[in-house]
Amino acid sequence: RKEVEQDPGPFNVPEGATVAFNCTYSNSASQSFFWYRQDCRKEPKLLMSVYSSGNEDGRFTAQLNRASQYISLLIRDSKLSDSATYLCVVNIVYNTDKLIFGTGTRLQVFP
Amino acid sequence: EAGVAQSPRYKIIEKRQSVAFWCNPISGHATLYWYQQILGQGPKLLIQFQNNGVVDDSQLPKDRFSAERLKGVDSTLKIQPAKLEDSAVYLCASSPRQLAGGPTDTQYFGPGTRLTVL
Repeated sequence: RKEVEQDPGPFNVPEGATVAFNCTYSNSASQSFFWYRQDCRKEPKLLMSVYSSGNEDGRFTAQLNRASQYISLLIRDSKLSDSATYLCVVNIVYNTDKLIFGTGTRLQVFP
Repeated sequence: EAGVAQSPRYKIIEKRQSVAFWCNPISGHATLYWYQQILGQGPKLLIQFQNNGVVDDSQLPKDRFSAERLKGVDSTLKIQPAKLEDSAVYLCASSPRQLAGGPTDTQYFGPGTRLTVL
C-alpha cells in the first residue's frame, strides 16, 4: 500500500464549479499535512498546510480526519488558473521535514 | 528574494554515461533536499542535508548516485552510470530549518533538471 494515495484524475470541471480532492495516508504516526500545487512542467509550491480543526484560505478549504487518516481539499468557484496538479503531502516525523508526496490529482478547469 | 537555482535545466545522455546536477539554495537556508520526480508520480526524497551533513539518504541508490554539499551551501548530485529508469526531473529544495524540533518548515523548490537517458 502506498504511504499517500490520491485519485490521479483528471478532474475536468467548468469555471465556477466546486471540486473536492481526497487523499489517504497509511502511517497513523503522521504529524503534519500539506497540499502543494504543481503547474505543468513547473516545481511544486506550497498551497496550504492542513490542520485538525480545518482551515480556509480564500476559495480553498482543507480538512484533516486523523481517525480515518484522510485529508481533503475543496476548491470553490474554480478559475481557469486553478488548472494544475494538486499534491497531497505528509510529514511522518515531526522534526525531520521528510515529506512524503502523493502522486497528485490533476485538475483541468475549462471555460 | 532569489529562489532556488538549478542547472542545467535539461540534460540528455546515453545509458552508462555520467551526469551531474547543481543546486544553489535560497541564501541562509540550512537544509537542502534532492528529490526525484518520475513522470506521473510525486517527488521522492533522495537525500537531505542540514548544513553540510547528511540527515537522510535512505532512498538514495548509493551504487550509482552520490551527492555532496561542501561548505553547506551549494550542492551537486551525480549519477554514474546512468540507467534508463533514471529518466526523471531532479528537484532541489531548501528550507530555513536550523535546529531539530518544531513544526515542519516550508520547502522551496527549484525549477528542476529534466534528465532523459537514452
